[in-house]
Amino acid sequence: NAGVTQTPKFQVLKTGQSMTLQCAQDMNHEYMSWYRQDPGMGLRLIHYSVGAGITDQGEVPNGYNVSRSTTEDFPLRLLSAAPSQTSVYFCASSYTGVYTEAFFGQGTRLTVV
Amino acid sequence: AQRVTQPEKLLSVFKGAPVELKCNYSYSGSPELFWYVQYSRQRLQLLLRHISRESIKGFTADLNKGETSFHLKKPFAQEEDSAMYYCALSANSGGYQKVTFGTGTKLQVIP
Repeated sequence: NAGVTQTPKFQVLKTGQSMTLQCAQDMNHEYMSWYRQDPGMGLRLIHYSVGAGITDQGEVPNGYNVSRSTTEDFPLRLLSAAPSQTSVYFCASSYTGVYTEAFFGQGTRLTVV
Repeated sequence: AQRVTQPEKLLSVFKGAPVELKCNYSYSGSPELFWYVQYSRQRLQLLLRHISRESIKGFTADLNKGETSFHLKKPFAQEEDSAMYYCALSANSGGYQKVTFGTGTKLQVIP
């Protein structure tokens, strides 16, 4: 029972490079989201998706792109990495509905130099 | 707009002392409130949610709509309670659910 799987766990990028953070869930959840966690700022929503083919921006979407071609996968793309994107990134999934529990991946620690 | 405020970045208590982690929210409708916990080297996980009205690991949280608060309480802190705690609000926004997290409070239980 894998739950929410994120890859990679750690990544170092040079400024200007692009990369994709992978997120997959095996719980058939409709709702998936990406957060970044920064000291003193908590978890901030980057992008979210309520189902395959439907995505929307969260609180801090600039510099990131997402797509949702399948229910299981929700990759996050950094278009041109900047030092300000150094953070820990979490993917989460849940059933739709305000009462549902969110399940989180183990996080990706990204450093942009 | 929905907002969650956790005023304390760090809360240090001695083992056996009572714990209260504060959470205040702003939302015009009726939100659902959650507490999530992140132990060292582990992923975030749900601790409890308001609708369940349950006590998990000795923790309880009461929704006070008048004060728009959802404080997390435990009568006697244990060392294993040391972790990062996040309060979260889930509500409908533009037809979809939106979950907003607070900035988190690190609980340090001193032996």
